[in-house]
Amino acid sequence: GQNIDQPTEMTATEGAIVQINCTYQTSGFNGLFWYQQHAGEAPTFLSYNVLDGLEEKGRFSSFLSRSKGYSYLLLKELQMKDSASYLCAVNDYKLSFGAGTTVTVRA
Amino acid sequence: GAVVSQHPSWVICKSGTSVKIECRSLDFQATTMFWYRQFPKQSLMLMATSNEGSKATYEQGVEKDKFLINHASLTLSTLTVTSAHPEDSSFYICSARTGDAIIEQFFGPGTRLTVL
Repeated sequence: GQNIDQPTEMTATEGAIVQINCTYQTSGFNGLFWYQQHAGEAPTFLSYNVLDGLEEKGRFSSFLSRSKGYSYLLLKELQMKDSASYLCAVNDYKLSFGAGTTVTVRA
Repeated sequence: GAVVSQHPSWVICKSGTSVKIECRSLDFQATTMFWYRQFPKQSLMLMATSNEGSKATYEQGVEKDKFLINHASLTLSTLTVTSAHPEDSSFYICSARTGDAIIEQFFGPGTRLTVL
């Protein structure tokens, strides 16, 4: 079975940094995705990690440790528009999603 | 590129009726399409995997006779919710993947189904 855990909610102020952790125990592994989802909309791709280490993409960075079954998404210089749900998903031919972390950015 | 559309974007139907949702890849050929369901404040749950020209593979607990999936062409998959009930009200999202890129899935905008 697939077990993917991430915190339910996080709150941060505009301009700050927030780190969303994701731990996973899955039967197979072919990479880990992070998606952003605004309410009532489909997920949009943020990052993909298949090898250990840090991937940086502008204000967003994602880290993976396969031996620890652990990833995090780092959001820097938070903006109000970053308020959304962030989904961690493990790829094993098909995607298994975590429950999502709702991030609220306050002024 | 890599645009996936869904139609309709929202639908309201009466209990007992059937509803068809279309998922189209607009600028690429999708050998595999996935159907997800998302209840309020929950994550996406995979319902079934659909490969062009073959029968869909359903996840455990998903009734294949209730959720009919057809992937008749490389650009179109349909999900039909038969004899819909209020508990089927949900956000249905499809995604598509090409045979060449086995990694990334491209998501459609979703269809909000409300069954009265």
